[in-house]
Amino acid sequence: DAGVTQSPTHLIKTRGQQVTLRCSPKSGHDTVSWYQQALGQGPQFIFQYYEEEERQRGNFPDRFSGHQFPNYSSELNVNALLLGDSALYLCASSLMQGGNQPQHFGDGTRLSIL
Amino acid sequence: DQQVKQNSPSLSVQEGRISILNCDYTNSMFDYFLWYKKYPAEGPTFLISISSIKDKNEDGRFTVFLNKSAKHLSLHIVPSQPGDSAVYFCAPNSGNTPLVFGKGTRLSVIA
Repeated sequence: DAGVTQSPTHLIKTRGQQVTLRCSPKSGHDTVSWYQQALGQGPQFIFQYYEEEERQRGNFPDRFSGHQFPNYSSELNVNALLLGDSALYLCASSLMQGGNQPQHFGDGTRLSIL
Repeated sequence: DQQVKQNSPSLSVQEGRISILNCDYTNSMFDYFLWYKKYPAEGPTFLISISSIKDKNEDGRFTVFLNKSAKHLSLHIVPSQPGDSAVYFCAPNSGNTPLVFGKGTRLSVIA
């Protein structure tokens, strides 16, 4: 039973560039949430996708956008990268109608901005 | 303002003793409280949870206690093992709202 998978594992970009991160949810899950974890902090919620639509959004600028595909996989796009976007980006999946079930996390993509 | 606070950034415990990790929250709408464990270079792994209708939940060596009136929860690990060394995050939510994470507590279990 495959868990949540994220790609790539590491990425180095320069300021002003754009980046796309990818996530495949755990088998049977239909909802994908993205989190940003800066050094020394807990993960912060970016947004959540369900039925190919953004359902909830955290306090992140419009430079952060996403997409969910019919197979429930998801992408996170960040435009006009800033040094402060350097962080670990985590994808979590869950079942929308699953009640109080925990989200399952991937191992993340480490993004470094030079 | 932080809705979830884990006031101890780190904790060292001897192998075999009890580890107690604490978490305070401010949002009274939270009704489901989760603990995640994170090893370096891995994503957070779900450890144990508790619903607001309970005050204790136990799973093997792990027990979570919830004090709703004090808006406080704690995770007890007994006996602690070296493999428990990791960063522990408290993450409450309500319904399908996003998880709100604390900053984490780094637990070191010394053999």
